[in-house]
Amino acid sequence: KAGVTQTPRYLIKTRGQQVTLSCSPISGHRSVSWYQQTPGQGLQFLFEYFSETQRNKGNFPGRFSGRQFSNSRSEMNVSTLELGDSALYLCASSLAGVPGELFFGEGSRLTVL
Amino acid sequence: AQSVTQLDSHVSVSEGTPVLLRCNYSSSYSPSLFWYVQHPNKGLQLLLKYTSAATLVKGINGFEAEFKKSETSFHLTKPSAHMSDAAEYFCVVSVYTGTASKLTFGTGTRLQVTL
Repeated sequence: KAGVTQTPRYLIKTRGQQVTLSCSPISGHRSVSWYQQTPGQGLQFLFEYFSETQRNKGNFPGRFSGRQFSNSRSEMNVSTLELGDSALYLCASSLAGVPGELFFGEGSRLTVL
Repeated sequence: AQSVTQLDSHVSVSEGTPVLLRCNYSSSYSPSLFWYVQHPNKGLQLLLKYTSAATLVKGINGFEAEFKKSETSFHLTKPSAHMSDAAEYFCVVSVYTGTASKLTFGTGTRLQVTL
C-alpha cells in the first residue's frame, strides 16, 4: 500500500509569492491534516479535512488555506509569503474514527528568501 | 484543556544501554497517547499508542511505554539502544471533546546514540 505522498519535496520562493503544496493520502483514508514544523515553534497544527470539509483549524493567519478533493487528496496554499513561513510542511492521513493514529508524508520543505 | 510535556529536549545514551524518554500529560478527558519518531528529513512514524486498553504498550523496534494515570506519565523505554534509534521522538495526546479530536504534540526529545 502506497504511503502518504507530498509534492514538491523542496521548493524555494521569495517574499510576497504564493505556494501550493499537495498531499495524496493513503488509499481509503478520508482524513487529512497539515502541520508546520520549525526549529523554534516545533510542530504546529494547521488544519484538518474530512470528506472535503474543514473539521479543525489551528491558529494561523488567513494567508494559510487548504482544501480537500473528492478523492481525498488535499492541497494547502500560503499566499503573500513571509520569511517566517520557511518550514517543513507535513501532511498526515488517518482512518476515520482512529484519531491520533496518523500516517505522515515526508514533508515539503519550503524556503522563503 | 490538554497539554503534554517532554521533560528532556536531548538525551544521549551509549549503544546497547537502556533508553528512557519522559513524557507527562494533562487532560480534562480520558486521553489517548502516542509516541512518534522522526528521522532526519523524514516525516513522523507512529511507534506505539495507548487507547485505554493495556497500560503497558509495546511498539515497533523494541520500544514500549507504560501509561501511569496516577503520575500522568507515558514514558518511552527500550532495553538496548541501537545506532538506528537516533532520531527525534514526539509524545502526543489526543482527546475527543465530543465534537472533534484534538491532538497536542510535545516539543520533542532528540535521542543521540553513541558508540
